Amino acid sequence: EVQLVESGGNLVQPGGSLRLSCAASGFIFGNHDMTWVRQAPGKGLEWVSSTNRGGTGTYYADSVRGRFTISRDNSKNTLYLQMNSLRAEDTAIYYCARMPPSGSSEGYDHWGQGTLVTVSS
Amino acid sequence: DVVMTQSPLSLPVTLGQPASISCRSSQSLGHSDGDTYLNWFQQRPGQSPRRLIYKVSNRDSGVPDRFSGSGSGTDFTLKISRVEVEDVGVYYCMQGTHWPRTFGQGTKVEIK
Repeated sequence: EVQLVESGGNLVQPGGSLRLSCAASGFIFGNHDMTWVRQAPGKGLEWVSSTNRGGTGTYYADSVRGRFTISRDNSKNTLYLQMNSLRAEDTAIYYCARMPPSGSSEGYDHWGQGTLVTVSS
Repeated sequence: DVVMTQSPLSLPVTLGQPASISCRSSQSLGHSDGDTYLNWFQQRPGQSPRRLIYKVSNRDSGVPDRFSGSGSGTDFTLKISRVEVEDVGVYYCMQGTHWPRTFGQGTKVEIK
């Protein structure tokens, strides 16, 4: 069974940093591109960042480019999101999601339960 | 960025009756490879999103056949033939043709 388990969400002050992790199991992690999608409280879904299966290609939404860094460790079956210079508008549930073998064009076929990031003083 | 516009944003439905959600994109979602990358997700209350349909009309494994997707170009529709209690939630369309990937605002389906 495919499982994605996020961790690392917390309350952080504006300007602070946080690193999210997503532990994957039940599939060959290194065979799939991965992504982070967030959802602000009571709002819709927003794509944040994606990485290819080898971690050599990374993509970011304009709203986080230069502040967030996506990475992965295929030996540990783990996806990361380093979040720096956090702003109030980054407050959201952050979901880790798997892309199907065809890539992100077909969306995300498995999602984690999410981890809450709250940016507030 | 491609803007995805869903309507209605709220959809009260009687149990056993059909429901239809529209999703329109600001640019054509036809890809140069010949496919059209419009996907639908369901988010039940308190749960993570779940993909229902990919590439306009392909149902994911385990998705009941009362769900169907259709459309082309910039106009797409998700239909539920007979709404059941477990269908309550928010439905999102998402385009996978252009970067960045973008979602619609969501349509909340509730029982009357």
